[in-house]
Formats: sequence, structure tokens, C-alpha cells
Amino acid sequence: DAGVTQSPTHLIKTRGQQVTLRCSPKSGHDTVSWYQQALGQGPQFIFQYYEEEERQRGNFPDRFSGHQFPNYSSELNVNALLLGDSALYLCASSLTEDYGYTFGSGTRLTVV
Amino acid sequence: RKEVEQDPGPFNVPEGATVAFNCTYSNSASQSFFWYRQDCRKEPKLLMSVYSSGNEDGRFTAQLNRASQYISLLIRDSKLSDSATYLCVENSGYSTLTFGKGTMLLVSP
Repeated sequence: DAGVTQSPTHLIKTRGQQVTLRCSPKSGHDTVSWYQQALGQGPQFIFQYYEEEERQRGNFPDRFSGHQFPNYSSELNVNALLLGDSALYLCASSLTEDYGYTFGSGTRLTVV
Repeated sequence: RKEVEQDPGPFNVPEGATVAFNCTYSNSASQSFFWYRQDCRKEPKLLMSVYSSGNEDGRFTAQLNRASQYISLLIRDSKLSDSATYLCVENSGYSTLTFGKGTMLLVSP
């Protein structure tokens, strides 16, 4: 049973560019959440998608946007990249009404 | 703003020692809490859930004190493999998780 898969695993981008990260949830999970983890910090909640809609959003600017597809997979888009966007981006999936989260291994984004 | 506060450590302990971590949370309405373990450059993995009645899983015991709004994790008989960062987490509602910054544990031979 495949867990949460994220792609790519590593990415280097230049300031001002745009990036798209992808996540496939664990089989049977319908809710996808995205987290940003800067070095030395705990993960911070970006947003959550359920039924192809953004259900909850953390304290992140509009440069961060997302999408969920009918097969429950999800994308995270970041526009106008800043150096401070360098972080590990984690995708977590769960089943609605179930607190059992499964995290993917993350995408490590470096902005230069 | 909802916060989860942890001592970043590191906690340096010898094998076999007992070590305890605490964390405090600010959102009194939070319903559920967890401890996650994160190894260097890896994703967080659920260690255990935390209940008011306490929760024990082998060498690990978690406790929730709602009156004082703190959560604890006790590790007995520490192993080298317990070296990791331990993240205190609250479910802020709609299954969104608020993480502390983590407490680093280093177990030495």
C-alpha cells in the first residue's frame, strides 16, 4: 500500500520564479494538507484541500495557492519565489473525520 | 495566535536513562494532541496520540493536562535509536495541525 508520494524530492529555483509541487495521497485518503518546514522550525500549516476545495488556510500570502484533483491528488504552487521560501514542503493526507495523518517525505525547495 | 511551545533542547542523555519533554499550548479549545518524531531531513512520523487519561505505548508515556494546558512525553530506558526531534502537535480543528518547533534528543552510548 503506497503511502503519500511527493515530487520532486529536491528543487532549486531562482528568486522570482514560480514552482509547482505535487502530492499523491495515501490510498483511501480524501483530504490533503500542505505544510512548510523551514530549517530548525516545526512544520507550519499552509492549507488543506477537501472535495477539490480549499477548506482551511494558514497564515501564508496569496503567492501560495493550490489545487486538488478528482483523484484526490494535489498541487502546491508558489509564485514570485523569495529566498525565505526555501524550506521542506510536506504533504499530509488523511481521511475526513479521522485524525490519522500520513506525511510524505517532502520536497526540499531551495531558492537562490 | 495559536502557539505550541517546546524547549528546543538538545537533551543529551545516556542509554538507559529516562527523559521527559513538556510542551504548552495556547488554544484551550483544541481537542486532540499528538507527539510526532522526526529524524534528520525526514518527514514527521506519528509517535502517539495524547489523551487526558494518559497513553502508554511500551517505553513511551504521554499525558495531557488540560487545566494547565501542557502535554508531556516520557521516554524510559532510552535507546540510541530514540535520538531524533520530538514534535508536540495540537489539532486546531478541521484536522489542521499546529506543530511546536520540536525538542531534540541525543542518546549517547
